[in-house]
Amino acid sequence: QVQLVQSGAEVKKPGASVKVSCKASGYTFTHYHLHWVRQAPGQGLEWMGMINPGGGGDTTYAQKFRGSVAMSSDASTNTVYLELSSLRSEDTAVYYCAKTAYYDNSSPGIDLWGQGTLVTVSS
Amino acid sequence: QSVLTQAPSVSGAPGQRVTISCAGSSSSIGTYDVHWYQQLPGTAPKLLIYGNNNRPSGVPDRFSGSKSGTSASLAITGLQAADEADYYCQSYDSYISSWVFGGGTKLTV
Repeated sequence: QVQLVQSGAEVKKPGASVKVSCKASGYTFTHYHLHWVRQAPGQGLEWMGMINPGGGGDTTYAQKFRGSVAMSSDASTNTVYLELSSLRSEDTAVYYCAKTAYYDNSSPGIDLWGQGTLVTVSS
Repeated sequence: QSVLTQAPSVSGAPGQRVTISCAGSSSSIGTYDVHWYQQLPGTAPKLLIYGNNNRPSGVPDRFSGSKSGTSASLAITGLQAADEADYYCQSYDSYISSWVFGGGTKLTV
């Protein structure tokens, strides 16, 4: 069964850091880029960036998130990580990991999502 | 503000047809394909349409997609209460080298 299972909800104080994990199973981990997508309360989906687990962990970040997030991967455990630093209340959101889908005659998309991890930043 | 523009909401009666639009630019939808995702309340998004007009296995043929120029549309026919959800379009924008989502459209049945 192809799935992405994320770590549980976190509550952090402003200025702290948090690391969210996403464990993949049911497919060849190193063959597909994995994305992180943020959804603030009541808001839409926002692409944060992606990581290539099979390409030495190469990352591409959305401009907005460069410098404040770090994505990493561990091929030995089929897990990718999202680390958020210097947390602010505006970082309160559900964070999703998502798997890239490569199509024969189309631009890549996303065909699988994790269940989401709620990160709450509050003093 | 999202790179891809969607109307915030749309509504329709059971059995009716609705369309959800997604407007982009020459560097996004004008060049790359569009994918659509359905997000039911309190759940993760789910792939609904890929490559502008293709349905994954298990998605009813009541859902269809199209693309023309720098815009795309999602059509839902035979509306059901279970279709109440948020719908997002997604593509790539080469001007900002980023995957992009629309702001989402909330469908009320």
